[in-house]
Amino acid sequence: EIVLTQSPGTLSLSPGERATLSCRASQSVPKNYLAWYQQKPGQAPRLVIYDAVNRATGIPDRFSGSGSGTDFTLTITRLEPEDFAVYFCQQCATSPLTFGGGTRVEIK
Amino acid sequence: EVQLVESGGGLVQPGGSLRLSCSTSGFAFSSYFMTWVRQAPGKGLEWVANINQDGTEKHYVDSVKGRFSISRDNAKKSLSLQMSSLRADDTATYYCVGGAGWTGDFWGQGTLVAVSS
Repeated sequence: EIVLTQSPGTLSLSPGERATLSCRASQSVPKNYLAWYQQKPGQAPRLVIYDAVNRATGIPDRFSGSGSGTDFTLTITRLEPEDFAVYFCQQCATSPLTFGGGTRVEIK
Repeated sequence: EVQLVESGGGLVQPGGSLRLSCSTSGFAFSSYFMTWVRQAPGKGLEWVANINQDGTEKHYVDSVKGRFSISRDNAKKSLSLQMSSLRADDTATYYCVGGAGWTGDFWGQGTLVAVSS
């Protein structure tokens, strides 16, 4: 089983600042099948990034994904008020399809 | 517009059974992988089970193997999760998820399952 560790647990930032979220895998994620999701309170998660670097439909270009192998990063260049949420990474390559524990991006 | 609507959740006693359903529209259901993901109250996401396009390949998280069964009806564009021998730690919101691959492209709003006496 691939274990995903997200850091930090909470990120306190102001609107307009840059957010950098990390997702580290216990072993290499095949084909870099790593996804990022955004979840707001009371809502279902929404796909943000797939295959480590590709933005999902409708996701603004301030969101970007990078990394390969075991180290992946989600970057939000300039935080907008609607970006404050919890972000989860997931490896979508091998069963069980595990999730990271999440990073909460909160308003400072 | 893509829509996934879960139903069938509710309160059930430990050891009981429940069947969740997911009705879909707005995408080519028979061409998509389908998944159930759950989230315990205040906790993170947990992948539960998935099924390939024609239903011949199914996978489960260890904690539900032998108790849960995923199935799909491509003619009705629907996904199901039969849950039995339910335990308190199965309490969660269950999401129906669709994707071109195993990635969660589309999510329903979820249905709450509460296991308690």
